[in-house]
Amino acid sequence: DVKVTQSSRYLVKRTGEKVFLECVQDMDHENMFWYRQDPGLGLRLIYFSYDVKMKEKGDIPEGYSVSREKKERFSLILESASTNQTSMYLCASSSGGNTYEQYFGPGTRLTVT
Amino acid sequence: GENVEQHPSTLSVQEGDSAVIKCTYSDSASNYFPWYKQELGKRPQLIIDIRSNVGEKKDQRIAVTLNKTAKHFSLHITETQPEDSAVYFCAATAAGNKLTFGGGTRVLVKP
Repeated sequence: DVKVTQSSRYLVKRTGEKVFLECVQDMDHENMFWYRQDPGLGLRLIYFSYDVKMKEKGDIPEGYSVSREKKERFSLILESASTNQTSMYLCASSSGGNTYEQYFGPGTRLTVT
Repeated sequence: GENVEQHPSTLSVQEGDSAVIKCTYSDSASNYFPWYKQELGKRPQLIIDIRSNVGEKKDQRIAVTLNKTAKHFSLHITETQPEDSAVYFCAATAAGNKLTFGGGTRVLVKP
């Protein structure tokens, strides 16, 4: 059974703080993704990675960066948190190749005050 | 890039009735169309998907239809049950793993 875990379920940070969200998957998946989920906007892709040290911008990368130093771990970084980054953040992974199913983590509800 | 629109945003049905959610996409090169279900407080999970070489796919009470000419696809849930209450997301991709999601449909099944 695929397991995707995220470092925190709830996080409260102040404006201007540097924020790290971590995601770990245990199925040796090639691809990992970071989304943010806002009501009415669905899931919007921030960044994804198809290999260690590789990353590609998604649809809304501004204000975010990522790091993938190990295959199982994908980190999302908010360099200077702002109130408009208050959201639910979901990590996902997929095995790659011709298999596209994405497995999601439980999400991190981030509030920036 | 791809743009996916999903309707309706909310749907209320009586238990036992059918529910239909529709999505349109913009990129004619899209070839994979999954549907995810997210129950309250839980993570999204894939419930059914369809590839562009197939017009319809069914799995028990759920089915998905695809019209490539019109660039739309739909999720059909028959004989709805309370456990079908959730938010449903459609998605599309022409680039394998890079999914573009619709805005979601909140389905409420009333007993």
